[in-house]
Amino acid sequence: GIQVEQSPPDLILQEGANSTLRCNFSDSVNNLQWFHQNPWGQLINLFYIPSGTKQNGRLSATTVATERYSLLYISSSQTTDSGVYFCAVVKGGKLIFGQGTTLQVKP
Amino acid sequence: NAGVTQTPKFRVLKTGQSMTLLCAQDMNHEYMYWYRQDPGMGLRLIHYSVGEGTTAKGEVPDGYNVSRLKKQNFLLGLESAAPSQTSVYFCASSYWTGGPGGELFFGEGSRLTVL
Repeated sequence: GIQVEQSPPDLILQEGANSTLRCNFSDSVNNLQWFHQNPWGQLINLFYIPSGTKQNGRLSATTVATERYSLLYISSSQTTDSGVYFCAVVKGGKLIFGQGTTLQVKP
Repeated sequence: NAGVTQTPKFRVLKTGQSMTLLCAQDMNHEYMYWYRQDPGMGLRLIHYSVGEGTTAKGEVPDGYNVSRLKKQNFLLGLESAAPSQTSVYFCASSYWTGGPGGELFFGEGSRLTVL
C-alpha cells in the first residue's frame, strides 16, 4: 500500500518562530489533506490541497504532486498551534494518514 | 447542524464483551470512515463506506464489523473485545474523496478501554 511519511516527528518552537512540516508519499494520489489535532484530541481540517499552494492566515500549504510531497508552513507560531499535525492522502478510495508531527510552541 | 457525532464518548469493557459505536452525520455525506488512534501509530483506517449499503475494509479491519444501513449512520461493532482494541476511535465523513468537497470532517472521538 501507499506509504505516507511525515517529518520531523517532533518539533519544539519558541512563540513567534516559523516552521515547515513535510509530508512525503510513495505513490500518486487523488487528494491530500492536512489536519491539526489539538491537545484535547479534536481533529480539524486545515487544507484540502492535492496540488498547488493555499494560504489561510498564518498557515499555508504547498503540494508538488509530481514529486510526491507536501509542505505545511506555520508562520509567527502561537501556543495555540501546539498539537499534532497530520497529512492524509487518498488512494483507491481510502484516506491514509501519516504518523504526524507533534508541535510544541513555548511562550 | 451537529456535524459528525459519535456515541458513546467513553466506554470500559471486559475482554469478550461486545459493543457498538455509533457515528451519525447530518451533512448528507456519501463517504464515512472509522479510524483508530494509538500512541505513536497515527490514525489507522479500520473500515469505510462509499455510500448507503456499502462497506469496505481498511488497513486494520480484523476484530471489527461495520454496517451502513442508513446514509447518515455508520456503526462499528466489536463482537468479542480484546485488550488490543483499547484505543481512541474516530469517525469521519466527506462528500467524496476525489476533488473539491472531499474535505474530511471528524467526530470528537470515542475512548474505549478493554480490561
